[in-house]
Amino acid sequence: DAMVIQNPRYQVTQFGKPVTLSCSQTLNHNVMYWYQQKSSQAPKLLFHYYDKDFNNEADTPDNFQSRRPNTSFCFLDIRSPGLGDAAMYLCATSRTLDGPSTDTQYFGPGTRLTVL
Amino acid sequence: AQKVTQAQTEISVVEKEDVTLDCVYETRDTTYYLFWYKQPPSGELVFLIRRNSFDEQNEISGRYSWNFQKSTSSFNFTITASQVVDSAVYFCALRNAGGTSYGKLTFGQGTILTVHP
Repeated sequence: DAMVIQNPRYQVTQFGKPVTLSCSQTLNHNVMYWYQQKSSQAPKLLFHYYDKDFNNEADTPDNFQSRRPNTSFCFLDIRSPGLGDAAMYLCATSRTLDGPSTDTQYFGPGTRLTVL
Repeated sequence: AQKVTQAQTEISVVEKEDVTLDCVYETRDTTYYLFWYKQPPSGELVFLIRRNSFDEQNEISGRYSWNFQKSTSSFNFTITASQVVDSAVYFCALRNAGGTSYGKLTFGQGTILTVHP
């Protein structure tokens, strides 16, 4: 009954080699988020999609891109991974952006990225 | 600016002990939402509770209870009769509502809870 699914759970890539992480959801939520979480730190929002509208956080590096081809799927592309990009990447969804009962974010299990 | 502080970096208890995780927040908004998430070793952030700023009623769910006090800007989380399966990192988070808000969560640094058998 997984609602937010992330594949793969573990990803190993080489320094500078592009990598794509995948997220899908069965909740039919309008909003999808990508967070980066480094060891012993809180999750940090990279960007989000509200339907097809993309919103980038001001401090998200250009190296990180995202695509949302349809409601269910969202991808995180790292164009040239550096050693500092090794982290857990969490995908989350919410029904809307701003509503008293619909704004709770539900997270997937994460993809742990290793950069060699 | 919003800020969430979880002063306890790590807590270690023995099974069946009660434990309280502290959360203090700062915001200028009058309407906001507070959350607790659990992150077990598997990595997934599991939603536990959301509390609206206009509802200060405390809540109990099984062994979990939450104490929301606007006067002290605190939203503390108590686990009664802790179990080994409660071992995880717990995050408190804040989200403002209205205006230009778009659902961004401000997380605390997390509290690592270890429950020993």
